Amino acid sequence: GIQVEQSPPDLILQEGANSTLRCNFSDSVNNLQWFHQNPWGQLINLFYIPSGTKQNGRLSATTVATERYSLLYISSSQTTDSGVYFCAVVPGANSKLTFGKGITLSVRP
Amino acid sequence: NAGVTQTPKFRVLKTGQSMTLLCAQDMNHEYMYWYRQDPGMGLRLIHYSVGEGTTAKGEVPDGYNVSRLKKQNFLLGLESAAPSQTSVYFCASSYGILGNQPQHFGDGTRLSIL
Repeated sequence: GIQVEQSPPDLILQEGANSTLRCNFSDSVNNLQWFHQNPWGQLINLFYIPSGTKQNGRLSATTVATERYSLLYISSSQTTDSGVYFCAVVPGANSKLTFGKGITLSVRP
Repeated sequence: NAGVTQTPKFRVLKTGQSMTLLCAQDMNHEYMYWYRQDPGMGLRLIHYSVGEGTTAKGEVPDGYNVSRLKKQNFLLGLESAAPSQTSVYFCASSYGILGNQPQHFGDGTRLSIL
């Protein structure tokens, strides 16, 4: 099956810093989603981004499907950005959503 | 806007006991899913449903059963709980087929099997 690799596995930031989280996948995908799991375990859908670039406030995401990667940018990080960020992909029509192992982000005040 | 609601939020079971987790969505979504999340791992698909009265196996279906008697509800059952089923369970729903529309998740159910 498709492999989804996220990097770095762990990231520590000082509040106000910017960061880039990466998701590589081993096969062509129809769709890709980025999720944030907060410290309380809630899973929040950040972006649905099979290709192109989207922005939502301080967050933006870019997927280059032809090169099999996606990037999540966090600008001016806040302590509330802490948690685990998951990338999930769908390798083909009617295929299952496959998750990466996540990136643990800690933003310190 | 309730979205996807899971009950219960926490549960402790003894090995061999049975229980049912309930997922309800109010978005009129056709597709619903059950995932489990284990430490250090992403979510893995247990079972899913593409409409009322339908169910299908996901990546890790053994030891679980599901039912979709009503469009808005998706039930996950453990007939004889095992310690290996200790996990956090997430339900999700989407408007379209598995990947072509975003999935919306509930807050999770933390289940411990002693």
